[in-house]
Amino acid sequence: QITLKESGPTLVKPTQTLTLTCTFSGFSLRTPGVGVGWIRQPPGKALEWLALIYWDDDTRYRPSLNNRLTITKDTPKNQVVLKMTNMDPVDTATYFCVHRQDGHCTPTSCFFEDWGQGTLVTVSS
Amino acid sequence: SYEMTQPPSVSVSPGQTASITCSGDKLGNKFVSWYQQRPGQSPLLVIYKDFERPSGVPERFSGSNSGNTATLTISGTQPMDEADYYCQAWDSSTVVFGGGTKLTVL
Repeated sequence: QITLKESGPTLVKPTQTLTLTCTFSGFSLRTPGVGVGWIRQPPGKALEWLALIYWDDDTRYRPSLNNRLTITKDTPKNQVVLKMTNMDPVDTATYFCVHRQDGHCTPTSCFFEDWGQGTLVTVSS
Repeated sequence: SYEMTQPPSVSVSPGQTASITCSGDKLGNKFVSWYQQRPGQSPLLVIYKDFERPSGVPERFSGSNSGNTATLTISGTQPMDEADYYCQAWDSSTVVFGGGTKLTVL
């Protein structure tokens, strides 16, 4: 059974750096084809993809946030960490950790089989 | 950047067929996935690669994609299908989501 769980602060101040950790079980980032990513959802709004990291250390970022995001993995601990700098109230959202096992995203294959429960992060002074 | 457009809301009577569309330039050249999100829950993958259904997803969920439009069809809609639905694709090294459609079963 695959599970993913997000953890991190529920409240951050503007300009601070957000650090979120995804701890997962049921799969390994050593396995070829596996990817873990982050997707967020502002209250009452649509889903927005942020970043992906793959078994082979390849990383992808949302272009408009590329200079604020860093995604890393700790394979032995089964964790993926997302850092987002210079937080702003518009970054208030539920942040989801997601898993795929079909290789790198391509036009012929990009979907996310498993999602964490999400964690709400509020940005406010 | 690539955009995918969904109707904000769709209504359907129980037992009838619901169709939710997702439009984008030459969308038929990409593979589309669909997610169901019930209130207060995480999204659930219900269709991938245009029409493939993950194990455990009821057969009443089906998908198609051609031209500029992908469609999620729910046959024999049940009250439990009331949720938000999002289409998703990959373009220019970016994961793209539609704006979401609220399906009301009444």
